Amino acid sequence: EDQVTQSPEALRLQEGESSSLNCSYTVSGLRGLFWYRQDPGKGPEFLFTLYSAGEEKEKERLKATLTKKESFLHITAPKPEDSATYLCAARSYSNYQLIWGAGTKLIIKP
Amino acid sequence: DVKVTQSSRYLVKRTGEKVFLECVQDMDHENMFWYRQDPGLGLRLIYFSYDVKMKEKGDIPEGYSVSREKKERFSLILESASTNQTSMYLCASSAGGGLTDTQYFGPGTRLTVL
Repeated sequence: EDQVTQSPEALRLQEGESSSLNCSYTVSGLRGLFWYRQDPGKGPEFLFTLYSAGEEKEKERLKATLTKKESFLHITAPKPEDSATYLCAARSYSNYQLIWGAGTKLIIKP
Repeated sequence: DVKVTQSSRYLVKRTGEKVFLECVQDMDHENMFWYRQDPGLGLRLIYFSYDVKMKEKGDIPEGYSVSREKKERFSLILESASTNQTSMYLCASSAGGGLTDTQYFGPGTRLTVL
């Protein structure tokens, strides 16, 4: 069964304290791994798509990486405005639907 | 930029009412999706559509129906609202198959059924 698991559920960091969020997936034939950011009461905002192991993408303080089993969202020197829930999702070649993780709630304290 | 809009940000309805949630995208996308999001359960797909007048059931279609008469518009219908349909409803669209299947989301509708 296709599955996406995110860890930790919640992460509290001090401003400037770098860390990583994990997204583990078991999907039959990965077609794409997606990262989104979601602020409270709003729709998810697209961040990155990764297609193959070894691929990396960056945007400001965020960098997403992909292996054959998991993806990491690295956040470098975070600021309070980076506080949000980060969602990952995977799509396989055999299924039209995205398989969503439950999200990691990131809190950055000033 | 892709823009997905939803007809209401907040909606309060009574049990048994028929409820319409509308979604419009302005990027000529082929695919449109309706999700609901509940604490601890993540995003769950209700219905999706890959073409005008075409629809497919997602994981939790019971109690819902959809309509796509025009390419840019996808409506979610709650035939007889119940309290367990209180949730955040999210609409999304994507361009189509291949490498362009990133889904873009609207702002969401917070529905409360009393």
